[in-house]
Parts: sequence; structure tokens; C-alpha cells
Amino acid sequence: GENVEQHPSTLSVQEGDSAVIKCTYSDSASNYFPWYKQELGKRPQLIIDIRSNVGEKKDQRIAVTLNKTAKHFSLHITETQPEDSAVYFCAASGQTGANNLFFGTGTRLTVIP
Amino acid sequence: NAGVTQTPKFQVLKTGQSMTLQCAQDMNHNSMYWYRQDPGMGLRLIYYSASEGTTDKGEVPNGYNVSRLNKREFSLRLESAAPSQTSVYFCASSETRVGGYTFGSGTRLTVV
Repeated sequence: GENVEQHPSTLSVQEGDSAVIKCTYSDSASNYFPWYKQELGKRPQLIIDIRSNVGEKKDQRIAVTLNKTAKHFSLHITETQPEDSAVYFCAASGQTGANNLFFGTGTRLTVIP
Repeated sequence: NAGVTQTPKFQVLKTGQSMTLQCAQDMNHNSMYWYRQDPGMGLRLIYYSASEGTTDKGEVPNGYNVSRLNKREFSLRLESAAPSQTSVYFCASSETRVGGYTFGSGTRLTVV
């Protein structure tokens, strides 16, 4: 099945700086790549996603880029704020019709005020 | 509109006991999933149901069974709990092939 690797596992940035989280995937047939944010003790929540026919997508301070040739995708958060502190998970779709997702191991982002 | 509802929120079991985790969604989604979340390992798929009446194994199905009772409900059963099943369990649903998951609030299970 799909194998998703995520780096770094922890990331600390000063408030106002940018944060970048990177993921690689193994299955070239994967075509859907969402990112989830999970605050402590809460459920994962979808923050942005990208499909394989698009190279970049932005939503205010958040952007995702996809390089299908290299099989990697990245999350970019600009002008970070303390409320951005959370664990972020990338995921890639499997091949079955059920839209299965395979998740990375997560990045704990800490934004220092 | 409650989204995805899981019960119970917390549970402590003794080794060898059985229990069923319940999940229900009110978004008319076709697909439902059970994941477990362990520190440093992300979310791993246990079982999924692409549509009502079908279930399939995910990455880590051993020790679990599931039932897709109807379109709304998807339960996860531990027949004989083991300490290795101590984890946080999340149920999720999605509209097939459309977009991301909506997760439930999770069940924190401890097996002693």
C-alpha cells in the first residue's frame, strides 16, 4: 500500500515567521493529498487539500504545493500565530474506490510568541 | 447536524474483555472508516466501509471486527482486548472520491 513520510517531526518558529512541512509518498497512482490539523485532545480537522491535477493551492495564510514527478508535497504557513500551534498530518489517497487515506506520522508545530 | 458521533469517549478494559465502539454520521456519506492513533505513528487504518453493505481490512485489522449496520452507523468490535490495543480510536466518514474526511471526537481506550 501507500507509504507516506513526513518531516520534520517537530518544528518551532517565532510568531510571524513561516513554517514548512514536507511529505513524500510512494504510490504514483495517489491523486488526493489533504492536510489535517489536530489540536491537543481534539479530532483532526481538514485545513487544505490538493488534487493531482493542480500544482499549488492557497487559502489565506496556508498553501500546499505538489510535485508529482518527485512524489512530494508540502504545507506552507505564513505569518504564523500562536493559534497555529498543533500537530499537522499529511495524507495521500490509496487506490481503492473508498477514498482511503494513508497518513504521515505528524509534525508538532510550536509558534513562540 | 452533529457530524460524526462516537461513543464512548473513554473506556478502560481488562485484558480479554470485549467491547464495541459505536460510530454514527448524519451527513449521508457513503464511506466510513476506523483509525487508531498512537504516539509517533500517525493514524493507521483498521477497517473501512466503502458503502453500505461492504467492509474491508485496512493496514492493522488484526484483533478487530466491524459492522456496517446501515448507511449511518459503523461499529468496531474488540473481541478479546490486549494491551497492544491501548490507543485513541477515531471514526471518520467521507463522500466517496470527493474530499477529505470528517472525524469523530475519538475514543481513548486503555487495556490493562
